[in-house]
Amino acid sequence: GAVVSQHPSRVICKSGTSVKIECRSLDFQATTMFWYRQFPKQSLMLMATSNEGSKATYEQGVEKDKFLINHASLTLSTLTVTSAHPEDSSFYICSAREDSGYYEQYFGPGTRLTVT
Amino acid sequence: GQNIDQPTEMTATEGAIVQINCTYQTSGFNGLFWYQQHAGEAPTFLSYNVLDGLEEKGRFSSFLSRSKGYSYLLLKELQMKDSASYLCAVMDSNYQLIWGAGTKLIIKP
Repeated sequence: GAVVSQHPSRVICKSGTSVKIECRSLDFQATTMFWYRQFPKQSLMLMATSNEGSKATYEQGVEKDKFLINHASLTLSTLTVTSAHPEDSSFYICSAREDSGYYEQYFGPGTRLTVT
Repeated sequence: GQNIDQPTEMTATEGAIVQINCTYQTSGFNGLFWYQQHAGEAPTFLSYNVLDGLEEKGRFSSFLSRSKGYSYLLLKELQMKDSASYLCAVMDSNYQLIWGAGTKLIIKP
């Protein structure tokens, strides 16, 4: 089956610093990638949708200057949390879609970000 | 607007059967997904329905009625490891997933 990796799995950073999270589709070309955030005991919240080679589309309320997304290739997307604050601490999950068949999204294992 | 409804929490007994319902109102329909999510982990795919009827896959089955905007996930022979959140998601006309809030399933011995 399709595999999506995410790195790092856990990261702790100091307030004011930036953190980059990588999402890779290992055995398929991901035309579209999605970034989600999930706070404890809450459902997934879509942050943005990105297509290879074009600017990401951000959901309402998500600051595009704070959460920088780069979909550099058909197998790699990155999310950079800039000037992180403790309230950015969350579980960040990426998913990738091949845009064929029934358009299933394959999820990465997630990244637990803690901002101190 | 678009809306997915599913119960917040359900409790069932090990070895029993449980049905998790999902109703939806979306802009267009390109299929309904069920995902399982254990605490602290990413969602994993369980099933996909785009036509009316029942899809069976081992202990898990999923049903869809497009005319009623309704689906359910049926879990048989429940095991303790089935304790997780179950997420219903509908793909709309733009091929975007609209997510339900998830149903937390608690399995008791």
